[in-house]
Amino acid sequence: KNEVEQSPQNLTAQEGEFITINCSYSVGISALHWLQQHPGGGIVSLFMLSSGKKKHGRLIATINIQEKHSSLHITASHPRDSAVYICAAEKIGGATNKLIFGTGTLLAVQP
Amino acid sequence: DGGITQSPKYLFRKEGQNVTLSCEQNLNHDAMYWYRQDPGQGLRLIYYSQIVNDFQKGDIAEGYSVSREKKESFPLTVTSAQKNPTAFYLCASSQTGRTPLHFGNGTRLTVT
Repeated sequence: KNEVEQSPQNLTAQEGEFITINCSYSVGISALHWLQQHPGGGIVSLFMLSSGKKKHGRLIATINIQEKHSSLHITASHPRDSAVYICAAEKIGGATNKLIFGTGTLLAVQP
Repeated sequence: DGGITQSPKYLFRKEGQNVTLSCEQNLNHDAMYWYRQDPGQGLRLIYYSQIVNDFQKGDIAEGYSVSREKKESFPLTVTSAQKNPTAFYLCASSQTGRTPLHFGNGTRLTVT
């Protein structure tokens, strides 16, 4: 079993829908990262969080440390949100930024 | 604009040849990383460097080598010893400490 699991693997939504992507991890962490990978391959860091909730525009990330679970929400989804969303866990005691990556959720938002 | 530049975007090599992937950053970041991405798998760490002239092996370092002679540059050499080199390679950087990673746009290497 992978130490970081994401669900769903693939997600298709209609423009305007509320989207949730889930990430579960089995190790102790100091932080959880959410990343966005566009079709060209480049990756952008969306959030780094160790507790509670963070919001940036239409994106919201939450984390429940006790349940070892994080969610990424997209409100009022748009076709430009289509990308692969990746969560990554920063293990406690690991070297700086030695992350364990999930396999990603491929999101397609249709107009 | 500050960022990370990886070149080239696509690279083709014959089996048995060494190939070097370039990664340059102008973010003044101390730490730099090389990751490999394969279909259906999460990114895996090849090498990382937290300071000039020092670097450490990641989880899949066999068949790869790096150097960190300048703060801005962290080239990765894929040697002929790497058994399955065809993959997408991503370079990243961060300030030392728990800060978000900045990624380049990647190099897709195909070895035939």
